Amino acid sequence: GAVVSQHPSWVICKSGTSVKIECRSLDFQATTMFWYRQFPKQSLMLMATSNEGSKATYEQGVEKDKFLINHASLTLSTLTVTSAHPEDSSFYICSAKWAANSPLHFGNGTRLTVT
Amino acid sequence: GDSVTQMEGPVTLSEEAFLTINCTYTATGYPSLFWYVQYPGEGLQLLLKATKADDKGSNKGFEATYRKETTSFHLEKGSVQVSDSAVYFCALSDQGFGNEKLTFGTGTRLTIIP
Repeated sequence: GAVVSQHPSWVICKSGTSVKIECRSLDFQATTMFWYRQFPKQSLMLMATSNEGSKATYEQGVEKDKFLINHASLTLSTLTVTSAHPEDSSFYICSAKWAANSPLHFGNGTRLTVT
Repeated sequence: GDSVTQMEGPVTLSEEAFLTINCTYTATGYPSLFWYVQYPGEGLQLLLKATKADDKGSNKGFEATYRKETTSFHLEKGSVQVSDSAVYFCALSDQGFGNEKLTFGTGTRLTIIP
């Protein structure tokens, strides 16, 4: 079946640094990728929608200058958390699809801890 | 706005027990409803779905019925196995199946003991 690989699985960084998370579709071309965030004991929340070759669309309340999303190819999207702070510590998950009505395929998620 | 409320976990059951994980939702219009499952070390996978009232989604022995009158989509399985241990997420989309704007619940961690 379709596979989405997310890297790294977990990362610890210091406050003020930037962290990049990669999301790759391994066996299909992902025209659209999505980034979600889940805080402890809260729901998985959509952060942004990323279409290959165009700017990401961010959900209300998500700072686009803080969470930089790049979808430069049909198999790779990256999320960069800039100037990370402890409140950015969360579980980040990506998903991808190859067509408008195709199923979503999710990555395993990245646990970010900012100290 | 849309929201999904599901049973808080963790839930621990013995093998062959009956499982129910409650899920209720709030949405405008007629959303599609989903259950996703995340097995240890893997990404979320679609378990089952229902797109209109009274529809029953089923897969791998799991079932859920779209109840509009009670705005619920409870997940059930008659006899669970150790391999069912995972985190289960209830979700809705108010723009039809295949649309990416899913609203998720918090997830329920299920552990089945032999």
